[in-house]
Amino acid sequence: GEDVEQSLFLSVREGDSSVINCTYTDSSSTYLYWYKQEPGAGLQLLTYIFSNMDMKQDQRLTVLLNKKDKHLSLRIADTQTGDSAIYFCAETRSSASKIIFGSGTRLSIRP
Amino acid sequence: NAGVTQTPKFQVLKTGQSMTLQCAQDMNHNSMYWYRQDPGMGLRLIYYSASEGTTDKGEVPNGYNVSRLNKREFSLRLESAAPSQTSVYFCASSELGGSSYNSPLHFGNGTRLTVT
Repeated sequence: GEDVEQSLFLSVREGDSSVINCTYTDSSSTYLYWYKQEPGAGLQLLTYIFSNMDMKQDQRLTVLLNKKDKHLSLRIADTQTGDSAIYFCAETRSSASKIIFGSGTRLSIRP
Repeated sequence: NAGVTQTPKFQVLKTGQSMTLQCAQDMNHNSMYWYRQDPGMGLRLIYYSASEGTTDKGEVPNGYNVSRLNKREFSLRLESAAPSQTSVYFCASSELGGSSYNSPLHFGNGTRLTVT
C-alpha cells in the first residue's frame, strides 16, 4: 500500500519540545521528508532523511528514522509560536516519480 | 526568484462552469504535479508530469484534465465544475524524474476554489 499516516493534532507548551510522528508502509522508501505549511501558504521543505540514515539534526530539528518499524519522527526543540503550522510527512521511492504525503499534523502552541 | 507561480489565487465557480488553473516554474525542473488539499485528508495527487510531453494520473484524476504545455508550464482544467471539487489546489515541481532521487517538491501558494 501507499499509506503514510500521522496524527491530526498536537498541542505543546511554548518552550517545550514537540514530537510529531509518522508511519509509512512501503519498505522501498528512499527519501523521507518533513514539510511545513503555514496558514494560507503552500508547503515548504523543512528537512529530509535518506533511508540508510537513523538520525539527522539541523539546529532545533531532529529527525529519527526507525526503518524496521517504518516510523519517522520530527522533534522540534524549544517550540516557539512561529512553529504553529501543519507538518506533513512524505516519502518517495526509487521506482516512482511521485511523492506520497501523510494527512498532516496541526501543531498548536499554548503559552 | 519566483519559484512556482499559480494563478488565480481565488476563484468561485457555479456548478457546470469550466476553468483552467495555471502553473509555471522557473527552476528548470523536470517534474510537475497538481495536488488538492482537503481538511483532514492531506494532499492528494490529481495528475503529474514526470517530464515534458508526458502526463499521468494520480490518486484522484476524475473530473480533471492537464496539459504540460512546455517544460515551465503545467495547467489543470475543470471541464464541468462540481461542488465536490471545492478545495485548495497546489501546483508543485521537482527534479524527480531526472538523475536525482533527492529532489523535494517546491510548491506554489495555492488556488482556493469554491464551486457553488
